[in-house]
Formats: sequence, C-alpha cells, structure tokens
Amino acid sequence: DTAVSQTPKYLVTQMGNDKSIKCEQNLGHDTMYWYKQDSKKFLKIMFSYNNKELIINETVPNRFSPKSPDKAHLNLHINSLELGDSAVYFCASSLGLAVYEQYFGPGTRLTVT
Amino acid sequence: GENVEQHPSTLSVQEGDSAVIKCTYSDSASNYFPWYKQELGKRPQLIIDIRSNVGEKKDQRIAVTLNKTAKHFSLHITETQPEDSAVYFCAAADNYGQNFVFGPGTRLSVLP
Repeated sequence: DTAVSQTPKYLVTQMGNDKSIKCEQNLGHDTMYWYKQDSKKFLKIMFSYNNKELIINETVPNRFSPKSPDKAHLNLHINSLELGDSAVYFCASSLGLAVYEQYFGPGTRLTVT
Repeated sequence: GENVEQHPSTLSVQEGDSAVIKCTYSDSASNYFPWYKQELGKRPQLIIDIRSNVGEKKDQRIAVTLNKTAKHFSLHITETQPEDSAVYFCAAADNYGQNFVFGPGTRLSVLP
C-alpha cells in the first residue's frame, strides 16, 4: 500500500513534446507538492496545492502547469519540453502546509533529447 | 525570499565517528527546520525536525540544534554507520507554507 505514487517512473521524450506526470497519495493529506531535482541534486519546490488551491507558485516557466482533480491527486503537465527540463521530479504530500513532514513519491526521471 | 546555505557539500567520516552538517537561513520568519535523508536513487525522507520554540532535539544517534539569533541550525550524527551514507538536506519554512526552501545538500560517506 504505497503512500505516494507517481507514474511513470521514467520518461524519455524529444524536445517540443508535451508530457504529463501523475501523482496520487492515499494518506488523506490536504497538501501536495511538486519538486524538481536537477543533476546536482538541488531540490527546488515548484508548486504546492492545499485543498485544491495553489498556494506556492515559484518562478517556474508557465510551460509547467499543475492540475489537481481532487485532493488525492496532483498531476504535472509540461508543454514544449526543453533540454533543461531533464531532471527527477518528485511529488510529495503533507498533512498541512510546510510545517509538517512531507512524504515523497519515488520520483520520475525525465530525459529530454 | 528565504535562502538556505549548507556546509560542507561533501563529508567523509570513518565508521563510528561523528558527523556534523551546518545550515544557515536568511528569513527571520522561518520557524520550522526539517532534515531529510536521500539515499542513492531513492526518495528524500524526513529524519528529524525542529521548531523555533526548541533549541535542541534528539532521536537516538541523531540530534539537531537551532540558534535562532544567529539563524543557523545543525545536524549531528553520532556513531556513524555505513547505512548513514546518503545526501542530507536541511530546509526552512514559515508557518504559512511560504518560502519553503531546501539547502543544496551534503553528501555524507561513512567509510568502513
């Protein structure tokens, strides 16, 4: 019974394509996040959703759009993929905003060629 | 916004020795300071956290100290074991979920 799951685990695609990464949590948490981890292992928060409301929207390109159909799901859609988008993307969830333990998904390794 | 610095970037210790990782933050509104461990190819996992009303917290071999005046906090691992080898991230956040920022990470290697 996985707490936070992501699909796909690996994603290889060409520049200019549009792709989506799905995330689901079965912990009953109210808040979900998307992080990008680059090749140097820097973890940067991209978005967070609390009860379906976007709370943090960092300075990410508007090619990235989070979509939350319900509080158990937060999907990440990326348009017009670029080489620099290659990274590992982690979804996470927590009981509430920021000051609670965040449970991370297994990550999606995106490679743009 | 918040800026979190972390030192050292890499740390090698002999098994059984102690390891210390230090972080500084810039936003005085930050009051929650978690530490995450990420093993190779795995997801980050919380190992310990501290809030601003506490100066020190211990959990078995790991401890965290916080100096709010100086805006720095540290992770201490005693009696290190090979399974402690991982990348460790500190982070800082405020009560409202704004400015949640991870440090750049420390790669700890425990040599047998």
